[in-house]
Amino acid sequence: AQTVTQSQPEMSVQEAETVTLSCTYDTSESDYYLFWYKQPPSRQMILVIRQEAYKQQNATENRFSVNFQKAAKSFSLKISDSQLGDAAMYFCAYRLNSGGSNYKLTFGKGTLLTVNP
Amino acid sequence: NAGVTQTPKFQVLKTGQSMTLQCAQDMNHNSMYWYRQDPGMGLRLIYYSASEGTTDKGEVPNGYNVSRLNKREFSLRLESAAPSQTSVYFCASSENQFAEAFFGQGTRLTVV
Repeated sequence: AQTVTQSQPEMSVQEAETVTLSCTYDTSESDYYLFWYKQPPSRQMILVIRQEAYKQQNATENRFSVNFQKAAKSFSLKISDSQLGDAAMYFCAYRLNSGGSNYKLTFGKGTLLTVNP
Repeated sequence: NAGVTQTPKFQVLKTGQSMTLQCAQDMNHNSMYWYRQDPGMGLRLIYYSASEGTTDKGEVPNGYNVSRLNKREFSLRLESAAPSQTSVYFCASSENQFAEAFFGQGTRLTVV
């Protein structure tokens, strides 16, 4: 079974600085997607960024980028120029891209990010 | 754009009561999902519907039933609520199994 581990229950960063959130996963598959979701206090789950395992280039979305290390099964999220609005719970998630189990997103337990002014 | 709409947003039930959580999406997505979120547990899949007319169990289906009423709507029913079902419930949809999932705003359910 696939598992996703976020080893940092909480992180904090100063406004305008950079922070990296860690995520590791365990799978024997080679074709899968990885995601970072943001959950602000409003509870809404918002997709931040996604990475397809077959793509070697790290995904980037504006101030958000990932460091995808497939061999190490690591998928960290870097937030540059942190803003107060980035404060939220961040979830790493995995989804198999083939077979009958590809509908299921497997989530980590989340990292609560605080942004200090 | 409404996206994925869940009702109600909050609900308090007594143990043994039944209720149905409603979910509707207006994005013409084929696949829909129900997750629950518990403190320190992340989100866990309860049931999903790959396409209209099909439903399948997820990770934690016990105590729940679902109905894919049509392409737009996917409801989750608790027949006899238990305190262990106190949680935040999220409905989500995606165009297909390869596409990203869009989430509703969640329903906070408390069973006393």
